Amino acid sequence: GENVEQHPSTLSVQEGDSAVIKCTYSDSASNYFPWYKQELGKRPQLIIDIRSNVGEKKDQRIAVTLNKTAKHFSLHITETQPEDSAVYFCAADNQGGKLIFGQGTELSVKP
Amino acid sequence: GAVVSQHPSWVICKSGTSVKIECRSLDFQATTMFWYRQFPKQSLMLMATSNEGSKATYEQGVEKDKFLINHASLTLSTLTVTSAHPEDSSFYICSAPSPTSGYNEQFFGPGTRLTVL
Repeated sequence: GENVEQHPSTLSVQEGDSAVIKCTYSDSASNYFPWYKQELGKRPQLIIDIRSNVGEKKDQRIAVTLNKTAKHFSLHITETQPEDSAVYFCAADNQGGKLIFGQGTELSVKP
Repeated sequence: GAVVSQHPSWVICKSGTSVKIECRSLDFQATTMFWYRQFPKQSLMLMATSNEGSKATYEQGVEKDKFLINHASLTLSTLTVTSAHPEDSSFYICSAPSPTSGYNEQFFGPGTRLTVL
């Protein structure tokens, strides 16, 4: 089955700096790669997603890149703000909705 | 956007009792729903796929007799944790794909915090 690895597990940046989180997946059939932000005790919130026919997608300060050949995808957050502090999860979907999550990255943005 | 609700939002029960968690799609129909479990400071782990009108499909290592899933209608799936024990204490989250989002995007319920004493 699918396996998703996510790094780093923790990331601390200064406000205004960029943050990058990387994920790799194992199943080449996976075709949908969402990124979620989760605050303590709450549901995951979709922040950006990318499908396998696209290499890059951007939404304001957030971007995701996908390298299908290498089977990895990355989340880029620019101009980080304290409110970006949360746990971020990548995921991969290859069976119409079954999401396999990475281990999570705890992002801390210091003012 | 699509809305998924869960009930209850939290529950505390004694060891050995059973607990039922409901997951509802409020403004769309969901023939498939998914159940996840999340332990503190860990990731979401897919437990099972709930299928309307047929049996649920469980992920490897998940006991189907312990975690009973019933997809009673196109808007409701229930997860019953039978004979709960302290190690079952966790955050249980359901999700459903919205047909308007091409079936990829998942809409998550708010989660249910289960504490077994």
